[in-house]
Amino acid sequence: RKEVEQDPGPFNVPEGATVAFNCTYSNSASQSFFWYRQDCRKEPKLLMSVYSSGNEDGRFTAQLNRASQYISLLIRDSKLSDSATYLCVVNMGDDKIIFGKGTRLHILP
Amino acid sequence: EAQVTQNPRYLITVTGKKLTVTCSQNMNHEYMSWYRQDPGLGLRQIYYSMNVEVTDKGDVPEGYKVSRKEKRNFPLILESPSPNQTSLYFCASSLSSSYNEQFFGPGTRLTVL
Repeated sequence: RKEVEQDPGPFNVPEGATVAFNCTYSNSASQSFFWYRQDCRKEPKLLMSVYSSGNEDGRFTAQLNRASQYISLLIRDSKLSDSATYLCVVNMGDDKIIFGKGTRLHILP
Repeated sequence: EAQVTQNPRYLITVTGKKLTVTCSQNMNHEYMSWYRQDPGLGLRQIYYSMNVEVTDKGDVPEGYKVSRKEKRNFPLILESPSPNQTSLYFCASSLSSSYNEQFFGPGTRLTVL
């Protein structure tokens, strides 16, 4: 099993729809989890940290399922500006941090 | 403005010609890191530093060197660049460790001919 795995997409979603991505990780001892957003040829930027209790920020909800070793990102009422690549990031302990390869999202007008 | 800066932003060089990519942050962060991003491979960590004079290898350190003489600066050195080091490089910093949010520089696109 790969350390951090994401569906590369692309996900082509009409504006206003709800879309969800999952990210699986291999190390059950992983300590912290993040979702980053990366626009084409730009630097990644933090979207959300993922807490055990879940995390919601406006239209975005992130959840952690430790038993099944995955994190999820839900985007409600998607906007054209949500088009980007979403990177799952897992800290596996001992400062080993692994980025997923990203899921590409295209919001269609 | 709180930021991470990298220079140069674009560089085309030839095999074997030593180069340095600078990285500087003005947020008094302890943790700094270098990544390379390649199509189909995602972001991979090259080196990281927990604090001044402390550096550690990431997943792909071969062919790279780093130093951390000052808290704000973390240069990436390619002593003898090769074409397989052609990539997009990002420097990042965070408050105290990789458990915190990382702030990324704008990236350096390097081409080695």
